[in-house]
Amino acid sequence: EAQVTQNPRYLITVTGKKLTVTCSQNMNHEYMSWYRQDPGLGLRQIYYSMNVEVTDKGDVPEGYKVSRKEKRNFPLILESPSPNQTSLYFCASSLGGYNYRYTFGSGTRLTVV
Amino acid sequence: QQQVKQSPQSLIVQKGGIPIINCAYENTAFDYFPWYQQFPGKGPALLIAIRPDVSEKKEGRFTISFNKSAKQFSLHIMDSQPGDSATYFCAASNEIYNQGGKLIFGQGTELSVKP
Repeated sequence: EAQVTQNPRYLITVTGKKLTVTCSQNMNHEYMSWYRQDPGLGLRQIYYSMNVEVTDKGDVPEGYKVSRKEKRNFPLILESPSPNQTSLYFCASSLGGYNYRYTFGSGTRLTVV
Repeated sequence: QQQVKQSPQSLIVQKGGIPIINCAYENTAFDYFPWYQQFPGKGPALLIAIRPDVSEKKEGRFTISFNKSAKQFSLHIMDSQPGDSATYFCAASNEIYNQGGKLIFGQGTELSVKP
């Protein structure tokens, strides 16, 4: 089944403790992206990647890192999480090109205390 | 700043009604306007999309109307059903420039269709 898989689904952590949210897609998509969803703010793009080793900042990149060493994986790294990073995170992938469609994962609910 | 503004934030209609969700954008370089639908506990999924060279696009009960001069577009759901209850997001992209990278979303509208 074509899908984007995120892990974990739920995570509670403490301020300052480094964490990684994994994202993997099995559709051979070129493009991958991370979004955070907050009430009243919609989905805001954190980082996106156009191909292996090619990444770019979205609208809210502060406090996050990403890497794209393999085409299928696009982990999101929080080096020193803070409470304002408590959010619902989505990874998405796309074939790119014209009329592209992002396929989203099921989300990771992160709470930083 | 929010480049795509969506309203209303929430909407309640009776079954069979026609909910309308509106979006406005600033950047005239945007050339691709999709709508995504999100059910609770799930990620968003593409519903329908339009380009600025057409004024309307219809897929089943879902219709996008596009007003290029006003920089506005809207989603209409005909004969709405309780199963349409979800959060709807409009979005915009400069696709020729980005080719699948940067997609900017609106704030979302939580739709509830009452039986």
